[in-house]
Amino acid sequence: SAVISQKPSRDICQRGTSLTIQCQVDSQVTMMFWYRQQPGQSLTLIATANQGSEATYESGFVIDKFPISRPNLTFSTLTVSNMSPEDSSIYLCSVLSASSYEQYFGPGTRLTVT
Amino acid sequence: AQKVTQAQTEISVVEKEDVTLDCVYETRDTTYYLFWYKQPPSGELVFLIRRNSFDEQNEISGRYSWNFQKSTSSFNFTITASQVVDSAVYFCALSETSGTYKYIFGTGTRLKVLA
Repeated sequence: SAVISQKPSRDICQRGTSLTIQCQVDSQVTMMFWYRQQPGQSLTLIATANQGSEATYESGFVIDKFPISRPNLTFSTLTVSNMSPEDSSIYLCSVLSASSYEQYFGPGTRLTVT
Repeated sequence: AQKVTQAQTEISVVEKEDVTLDCVYETRDTTYYLFWYKQPPSGELVFLIRRNSFDEQNEISGRYSWNFQKSTSSFNFTITASQVVDSAVYFCALSETSGTYKYIFGTGTRLKVLA
């Protein structure tokens, strides 16, 4: 399984500001995913990030609010823009194993917006 | 549309009891994968198992076992002789096997194992 790290692990931000979350993988992967987990809730997919192409966003999520970059096969960033308290969540990245089709998750970024 | 239902929101058991977590899914795909993940209080998701839709054999791994029944669209998870360290939120997930490989997660079951 891949080893995935995320930065920052947590942050407290003021409304109206933006935060960029980094996701680093220790091996090359084709498919990466970004999820949001609101307090006490399940995981909701924000977008799929493939290297060399635009991210594919799920219904309810837009690029202006959650721009994603995927510059290479081991790294991706998710930006949460113009934050409001409703954006307070855990944000997780995951990678898809090409051999087993299992997703492995990073430790998450716990975001609080005040 | 794909859907995963975990009807049990929270379960409390006393240590050493057996407990079964239910997962019911809906999909029109003939080929798909099912998964279970554990999310302890630390927040990280830990992969537990993957099951291919063509493989209905039950699986046992230590104190964990899984029962997959296509006839009832269920993929239940049993912990035998539960321990306090099993306390976590458990998620069941479904994914297609071509194209996007996106996961559809259930709402999760919070398991509390009391000493």
